[in-house]
Amino acid sequence: QVQLVQSGAEVKKPGASVQVSCKTSGYTFTGYHMHWVRQAPGQGLEWMGWINAKSGGTKYAQKFQGRVSMTRDTSITTAYMELSGLRSDDTAVFYCARGDSTGYYDPFDYWGQGTVVTVSS
Amino acid sequence: QSVLTQPPSASGTPGQRVTMSCSGSSPNIGSNYVYWYQQLPGTAPKLLIYRNNQRPSGVPDRFSGSKSGTSASLAISGLRSEDEADYYCATWDDSLSGWVFGGGTKLTVL
Repeated sequence: QVQLVQSGAEVKKPGASVQVSCKTSGYTFTGYHMHWVRQAPGQGLEWMGWINAKSGGTKYAQKFQGRVSMTRDTSITTAYMELSGLRSDDTAVFYCARGDSTGYYDPFDYWGQGTVVTVSS
Repeated sequence: QSVLTQPPSASGTPGQRVTMSCSGSSPNIGSNYVYWYQQLPGTAPKLLIYRNNQRPSGVPDRFSGSKSGTSASLAISGLRSEDEADYYCATWDDSLSGWVFGGGTKLTVL
């Protein structure tokens, strides 16, 4: 069965960076894109971008351009999301969610459990 | 401010049928498939409807989706207490070149 297991909660100071990992199993990692979605406390879902797990190509939402980096390690079927220049309003739950082979269809069919990132001085 | 507009709340009694809307525009819902997600309290979202009206295996047929023009709807029939959750619509936006979500509808089962 498809599983996405994310790394644990993080507490960061403003201006720092955070990296969240998403370890996958149960499917062919390189056959799909991986999306990242943010959810601020009490708020809705916000798409951050995707990584093509086969090629490593990325597409980021305009809002996060220049601050986000998505990478992957195919040898351990794990995707990573790094967000830099953290601000207090980056406090949120970050989810990885599987996409399809193109990134343009059928997104978010399986989700990780979420990683809480708290930004506080 | 979300690109897709959903009513913030909806409610119904057990056994009732409820619908919730998702309104967009030409570059998003008007041109692309709509997806629906259910988020139970304290959990990750779950895919409920894909490609406007398709149900993944395991999703009860009480849930149905439709799309017309630049709007989409999610209907839940035979409402149950465990349906109490937040529901989000999503689609690709050709202008923004990215995935967009509605603000979510909180469903209360009275």
